[in-house]
Amino acid sequence: GNSVTQMEGPVTLSEEAFLTINCTYTATGYPSLFWYVQYPGEGLQLLLKATKADDKGSNKGFEATYRKETTSFHLEKGSVQVSDSAVYFCALSDGSSNTGKLIFGQGTTLQVKP
Amino acid sequence: GAGVSQSPSNKVTEKGKDVELRCDPISGHTALYWYRQSLGQGLEFLIYFQGNSAPDKSGLPSDRFSAERTGGSVSTLTIQRTQQEDSAVYLCASSPHQGSYEQYFGPGTRLTVT
Repeated sequence: GNSVTQMEGPVTLSEEAFLTINCTYTATGYPSLFWYVQYPGEGLQLLLKATKADDKGSNKGFEATYRKETTSFHLEKGSVQVSDSAVYFCALSDGSSNTGKLIFGQGTTLQVKP
Repeated sequence: GAGVSQSPSNKVTEKGKDVELRCDPISGHTALYWYRQSLGQGLEFLIYFQGNSAPDKSGLPSDRFSAERTGGSVSTLTIQRTQQEDSAVYLCASSPHQGSYEQYFGPGTRLTVT
């Protein structure tokens, strides 16, 4: 079945460091890929998405490129801030149905220290 | 405008009791989803509603779990005879139309079964 695997956290970085959170997936067909973010005390929010191979999603300085050949969608940011501290979830659309159902990874906690 | 709201925010119940969790989606959103986030796990899909019908219930873990949606709006997730393994954060999300992968999440209900 379809699945998403993320690197385990927590990831602890100093402010202005470079961030990479790895995400790989297994899927049949051509899923869309997403990163959601959950800030402390808040609900999940869509951070960025990519709907086909080689697409790059970007938002708030974060980027991720849909790599079909490596089945990956790694999240990157060139210079993190303390306010980026949150839990990040990689997800894919379950294309086997037309419901919009998402399949999530386990989440990666990012802690950014001043 | 108002986002997705869920109530209660926290629920502690004794093993064997029934619980009801409520979700108020964004007004006008026709699609509604329930997910569960257990400790150390990613988000698991439970059930999907389009309007008042539930074409995908494949994620409900047992027949103790049920959900309904009335008036194309509010949804209730009911867990009967709760077990300790039901302890988790239950998340509700809505989206504007069927098959949309851009889902808007509520803050969740944290259920603890003692």
